Amino acid sequence: QSTLTQPPSVSGAPGQRVTISCTGSRSNFGAGYDVHWFQRLPGTAPKLLIYGNIKRPSGVPDRFSGSKSGTSASLAITWLQAEDEADYYCQSYDSSLSGWVFGGGTKLTVL
Amino acid sequence: QVHLQEVGPGLVKPSGTLSLTCAVSGASISSSSSNWWSWVRQPPGKGLEWIGQIYRSGSANYNPSLRSRVTISVDVSENHFSLNLNSVTAADTALYYCARLNYYDSSGFPYYFDYWGQGTLVTVSS
Repeated sequence: QSTLTQPPSVSGAPGQRVTISCTGSRSNFGAGYDVHWFQRLPGTAPKLLIYGNIKRPSGVPDRFSGSKSGTSASLAITWLQAEDEADYYCQSYDSSLSGWVFGGGTKLTVL
Repeated sequence: QVHLQEVGPGLVKPSGTLSLTCAVSGASISSSSSNWWSWVRQPPGKGLEWIGQIYRSGSANYNPSLRSRVTISVDVSENHFSLNLNSVTAADTALYYCARLNYYDSSGFPYYFDYWGQGTLVTVSS
């Protein structure tokens, strides 16, 4: 059971917009800790997409955007492309653990 | 470009010690005052679990659930850091990742994982 809750799967057609939710609690998001998102393709190193709730590292397309409000956060992907098919994870710091917690991951399927 | 690579045996016997090293290239651990270096794992079919992290000075923090069995160390001269997990069981079978934590300006906990290795599968079996 992951500390942060994500839907197991989402899907969308090319060109569409999808959102992936991530629900936390008072000891992580509610305590003011930021959410970070990364993408994972099988057999490859996870890739950072969003940090600090809304910041995009250089090289990440602006099709990817993040938001956070209270104990919930979300990742939005616009103009879906076949190459976006991957697993997506949210992540944050947790004061109860005094360490890092993750979502269970969401598999994005591009139809 | 920062690159991390996990190195170590893919098979460990029960009750033995799991040992992995993370080789870092494209960045110097000794020069990186804004970074911590971490280990994360994912058992098959389960979620990601933070194991612990270490600073260049050797100061380390561990997941309380693993603290009694885990040691993370750093070798700045070799530019790598290592994980030792003792008394392993089948429950320690997992994909093990090393990753870098980077500092940023935040009112919360000011770090995020910016670079990861591709992971290495370690199986605990006799």
